[in-house]
Amino acid sequence: EVQLAESGGGLVQPGRSLRLSCAASGFNFADYAMHWVRQAPGKGLEWVSGISWDSSTIGYADSVKGRVTISRDNAKNSLYLQMNSLSPEDTALYYCAKEIRPLFYYYGMDVWGQGTTVAVSS
Amino acid sequence: QSALTQPRSVSGSPGQSVTISCTGSSGDVGGFHYVSWYQQHPVKAPKLIIFDVNKRPSGVPDRFSGSKSGNTASLIISGLQADDEADYFCSSYAGNKIFVFGSGTKVNVL
Repeated sequence: EVQLAESGGGLVQPGRSLRLSCAASGFNFADYAMHWVRQAPGKGLEWVSGISWDSSTIGYADSVKGRVTISRDNAKNSLYLQMNSLSPEDTALYYCAKEIRPLFYYYGMDVWGQGTTVAVSS
Repeated sequence: QSALTQPRSVSGSPGQSVTISCTGSSGDVGGFHYVSWYQQHPVKAPKLIIFDVNKRPSGVPDRFSGSKSGNTASLIISGLQADDEADYFCSSYAGNKIFVFGSGTKVNVL
C-alpha cells in the first residue's frame, strides 16, 4: 500500500526554524516528484513547494520563497521541508503528496499523507 | 501566484448534477492541460478525483467528470449522493515549476 507519513510539526515561536519530514513507502520513491501542500485552519489548500524525482527541478510558492528549502533522500525514501524565519502566517497542516506520474513534475498529486501540524505563536 | 477562482458553495439534491467552475488565466488553467481536482471531507486528507483535466484515477466513480474551456475548468458531479458533500479544490500547473490551487468549493447535498 502506498503511504506517506509526515512528521516534525509542532509549536514554534516566530522567527524560529522547523524541519518537516515525510516517510514514503509502498512505491518506488526515487521515480516520483514530491510536493508539500499546506492548509491553514479553516482555509483552502496552498501549494508550498515541489521537487522532481532527481532534485533537478525545484519550485517554491512566492509566500515561502527564500525561507523554505525542499530536499529529498531517495536512499531513505524521505522528503524534507526546512522552514526558517517562521511567522504566524505559516501556521497550517502540512501535507506531503506524491506526483501522479513517474519522472514528471507537473501533473498533480495522487497520494497524500495525513499531515503534520505547524503552529507559530509566541 | 493568485489562487484560482471557485464558487464558495454549490448545492443540489440527491440524484441531481452540480457543476463547479475553476477560473484562472492563460498562465495556468488556460495554458496547460494539467488541471486536477481534489475532494476533501472534514478532517481528512484531500483525495484526487480528476487529473489531466478529465481523467479519473481508478476507483473514482464516473459520476465525476471534468472539462476545460479557455481559462476555466469545470468539475461535474452527476447523480449527487450524500457522501459527495465535501470541499472540492481545483489545481493547475502554472509554469515555472509552480502549482496553484483554487479557493475551494463546498458542495452541499440538500
